[in-house]
Amino acid sequence: SQKIEQNSEALNIQEGKTATLTCNYTNYSPAYLQWYRQDPGRGPVFLLLIRENEKEKRKERLKVTFDTTLKQSLFHITASQPADSATYLCALEANAGNMLTFGGGTRLMVKP
Amino acid sequence: DTGVSQDPRHKITKRGQNVTFRCDPISEHNRLYWYRQTLGQGPEFLTYFQNEAQLEKSRLLSDRFSAERPKGSFSTLEIQRTEQGDSAMYLCASSAPTVNTQYFGPGTRLTVL
Repeated sequence: SQKIEQNSEALNIQEGKTATLTCNYTNYSPAYLQWYRQDPGRGPVFLLLIRENEKEKRKERLKVTFDTTLKQSLFHITASQPADSATYLCALEANAGNMLTFGGGTRLMVKP
Repeated sequence: DTGVSQDPRHKITKRGQNVTFRCDPISEHNRLYWYRQTLGQGPEFLTYFQNEAQLEKSRLLSDRFSAERPKGSFSTLEIQRTEQGDSAMYLCASSAPTVNTQYFGPGTRLTVL
């Protein structure tokens, strides 16, 4: 069965450092991989999308890599700030416009 | 506010009662999705509409669940004979034609006593 794994343990880092979150998947061939941010009691907010034929995508302090051979995506936040503290979800999409299959999320805590 | 809105934000009900949630998507978005999220988990897909047509339903959507999107605008999700296991956050999302990004509403938190 399809499985998406994100580190369920919280990631604690110091302000200013780079946070790296991992998303691994099995039994899936996604056309797109997306990262969302979710704050407590709120809906997820879209951050970045990367296509299967793309290796890397950047947006301001965010960077996503996508390795379809390893079946893994890495999500980086450089120069992290306490305001970056949230749960980050990766989501796979088989075809454009279809449903998203989410991982369990990783909680990031950035300490001042 | 032009984002996705959901109503109510919180609902407490007794086991066996019926509940209905509403989602108003972003106006030009033709796709509308429903997800369910329990504490510590990622959202799980329930169903999705393109305009008024319900195109896909998850196995999670038992016979007690029904969703509609009349006229391709707002959508409702009804749960009949609620069970304690239905307690969760119900999220609605919408997306525009040819765009993958889904915009989520704030969710409806359901508590079944």
